[in-house]
Amino acid sequence: SQTIHQWPATLVQPVGSPLSLECTVEGTSNPNLYWYRQAAGRGLQLLFYSVGIGQISSEVPQNLSASRPQDRQFILSSKKLLLSDSGFYLCALRGNTEAFFGQGTRLTVV
Amino acid sequence: TQLLEQSPQFLSIQEGENLTVYCNSSSVFSSLQWYRQEPGEGPVLLVTVVTGGEVKKLKRLTFQFGDARKDSSLHITAAQPGDTGLYLCASFGSNYKLTFGKGTLLTVNP
Repeated sequence: SQTIHQWPATLVQPVGSPLSLECTVEGTSNPNLYWYRQAAGRGLQLLFYSVGIGQISSEVPQNLSASRPQDRQFILSSKKLLLSDSGFYLCALRGNTEAFFGQGTRLTVV
Repeated sequence: TQLLEQSPQFLSIQEGENLTVYCNSSSVFSSLQWYRQEPGEGPVLLVTVVTGGEVKKLKRLTFQFGDARKDSSLHITAAQPGDTGLYLCASFGSNYKLTFGKGTLLTVNP
């Protein structure tokens, strides 16, 4: 079965520091992968998605970037964090008709 | 980009009451998923509906897909405190994007 791993679970970073969130998947090959950000109690904002190695589609221009260096690895990065980057970040994997999510990373920028 | 409108945004009810939440789009859905999310966790799939007019039941939850596949509803009978959470509808677009509605935050009070 497909599994998705995301870490860390929580992260507190100062403004201006870099960021790297990693997502890895198991049990599937050539998956479609997604990064979302969520404000408290609200819906998911699609940030990036990838249909293959090195293929990244950006949805919203902002202070973040994504990379897919390996088939089952999806990384979300920032060179310099802003206060507005705080939120709950979720990595997702596309199944046949639905998405499977990691446990999320709660990022607080201080 | 397909936009999914969910209503209501917030719902607070007493245990034992019934409720319905809605998901609408101006575009036709190829399929639609409903997810439930608890604080600090990733969304978990409840159901996928594919066929216009389809009705699916999951214990006290009834999901309906509109005949024209532009709308869907989730009805909960005799709500319980354990039903509390964020309910999200989502749909895959033709370009692999998975788009979510803004969610309905449900609180069931004992």
